[in-house]
Amino acid sequence: DIQMTQSPSSVSASVGDRVTITCRASQGISSWLAWYQQKPGKAPKLLIYAASSLQSGVPSRFSGSASGTDFTLTISSLQPEDFATYYCQQANSFPLTFGPGTKVDIK
Amino acid sequence: EVQLVQSGAEVKKPGESLKISCMGSGYTFSSYWISWVRQMPGKGLEWMGRIDPSDSYTTYSPSFQGHVTISADKSISTAYLQWSSLKASDTAIYYCARTGSGHNWFDPWGQGTLVTVSS
Repeated sequence: DIQMTQSPSSVSASVGDRVTITCRASQGISSWLAWYQQKPGKAPKLLIYAASSLQSGVPSRFSGSASGTDFTLTISSLQPEDFATYYCQQANSFPLTFGPGTKVDIK
Repeated sequence: EVQLVQSGAEVKKPGESLKISCMGSGYTFSSYWISWVRQMPGKGLEWMGRIDPSDSYTTYSPSFQGHVTISADKSISTAYLQWSSLKASDTAIYYCARTGSGHNWFDPWGQGTLVTVSS
């Protein structure tokens, strides 16, 4: 199985801050990576697919990038509605696997 | 609007059987795979398996193979996840989610079904 790790596990930030979350795959997955946002009591929501493509309807302050087996989700200017948990997911091979999540909370 | 609507919360006893559902609307149901994802209380997301509704071909995660059964009825645009003998450790929220042809990311997701197994 491909293992996904995320760092940090949690981050405290203020509205307007730039937030960066990193995800690392245990082996090469090309650009087969997605990012999701999950708010308490809600289903996850797709933000980024193919490592850097913004899902329709998602604000442009969200962006994704890739370098080898390292992937980054950046929120350029944190908004109140962005406080949530973020998960990466490798879509390269089965079983599909998720990172453990990064919780973004209010500083 | 593409939508997945799941069946309601369930409370069961250990050893009981259960089948939960996920109905798709707003798209051609048989053209997209449906996956099931588990989220245990306070924990992360785990992919359980998927089904192609057009022919009911399934792929399971080794972690869940033999413990659950995924099925679908394309005539009513519904996928199912079932257990023959529940355990307390099956207590979790279960999400269904759609994946497209040629990729394996999930969009949209159902609202989730909370399954509680307790004696």
